[in-house]
Order: sequence, then structure tokens, then C-alpha cells
Amino acid sequence: QVQLVESGGGLVEPGGSLRLSCAASGFRFSDYYVSWMRQAPGKGLEWVSYITWTGSTTHYADSVKGRFTISRDNAKNSLFLQMNSLRVEDTAVYFCARVGGYCSGGSCYGFYLDSWGQGALVTVSS
Amino acid sequence: QSALTQPASVSGSPGQSITISCTGSSSDVGAYEFVSWYQQLPGKAPKVMIYDVRKRPSGVSDRFSGSKSDNTAFLTISGLQAEDEADYYCSSYVSTNSFVLFGGGTKVAVL
Repeated sequence: QVQLVESGGGLVEPGGSLRLSCAASGFRFSDYYVSWMRQAPGKGLEWVSYITWTGSTTHYADSVKGRFTISRDNAKNSLFLQMNSLRVEDTAVYFCARVGGYCSGGSCYGFYLDSWGQGALVTVSS
Repeated sequence: QSALTQPASVSGSPGQSITISCTGSSSDVGAYEFVSWYQQLPGKAPKVMIYDVRKRPSGVSDRFSGSKSDNTAFLTISGLQAEDEADYYCSSYVSTNSFVLFGGGTKVAVL
């Protein structure tokens, strides 16, 4: 079955860096867009970033643009999130998810998060 | 990138029907059929319940249904059950700018 497992979370000081990983299994990873979301303690969901099949195109929320970088390694069925210049407000559980749907030729054919990992906690604090 | 608006809480008795609203704008919810709904049980990852406004993934109970009118999407839960107690989030994909919006979440209580 589809499985997504995040790793790499932890405690980091403001201004520091952290790299999250998401290991995928149970499906052909290269056939899907994948995305990162986060959820601050006691708060709602926030979309962070998504990446297309080959990694040629990436998109980011304004709140992380220029600080976070999403990437993928299809040979290793893995998704990554490099987080730099971390702020206290980046503290959250970070989820990776598979995207149902895609865009091609200027048209989109659905876009929803059909399978989620259990999340990795990132705490930014001094 | 403004969040979509959902009521903070909705409640109902077992067997009743409840509806959660999700209000956006003519640039997001009103413009595309890419609205989805997620259920999050305490301490768990979200699970998709509705996608493309009204489609239900296999394995999701037909007590859950989705609809949309103008800039507002709706999730209806019929025959409310204790196991439906959870947080529910709506989401809209904005294809012109390639970003994803979430609502603030609605806590459903079964009285």
C-alpha cells in the first residue's frame, strides 16, 4: 500500500538549517507530484511547497519562498525539504503527501493530497 | 495567499446531518473545481474525504458529500456518527498561480 515516512525533524536554533526527508513506497514515485504541508502546534494546516514529476518545476508558499527548497530523487523514491534561515514561526509538524492530479499544457486535471505521511516535528527555539 | 474561511466549530446529534462551509473568492474556490476536504483525527495525519468538489475516494463513506456554490464550498456529513468527531479542512488549488490554500479548520462535535 502507499506509504510515506518523514524523517529529519528536530530542534534547531533560529537562523539554523534542517533537511527533512520523505521516503515513499507502494507506488511509482516518479508518476506523481509530491508536496509538503505543515501544522503549527494547535493550529491549522498550511501548504508549504510542491514539486512536479521530474523536479523541473517547484512552487512555494510566500511564507517560505527564498528560504526553503524542495527537491526529489526518483531513483531513491525520496522527497526532501531543505529549510534555511529558520524562524520561531516555522515550528510545526511537517507532512509530506502524494498529489492526486497534475497540470500539463496549461490545463490542470485535479489537485488534491491523496496520501499523507505521519509527520515530522520541527522545533525552532533558542 | 489568504486562507479560506471555515466556521471554527459545528456540532450535531447522532443521526443528524451537518454542513461545513468553506468560503474563498472568485480567484480560488469560485474559479476552479479543485476543492478538496480532509479529516484529521487527534494526533493523526489528515485523510482526504472529498476531492474535485464532490468526488469521494474509494473507502470513504457515502455519508460524506461535497458541493459548491459560487465562492463557497460545502462538506455535508449525513447520519452523523461518534467516529466523525474530528477536525475538517477544506483546500483549494489555484492553478493560475500554482499554490494551495487551506481553510482554518472546523472542529466537528457529536453531541
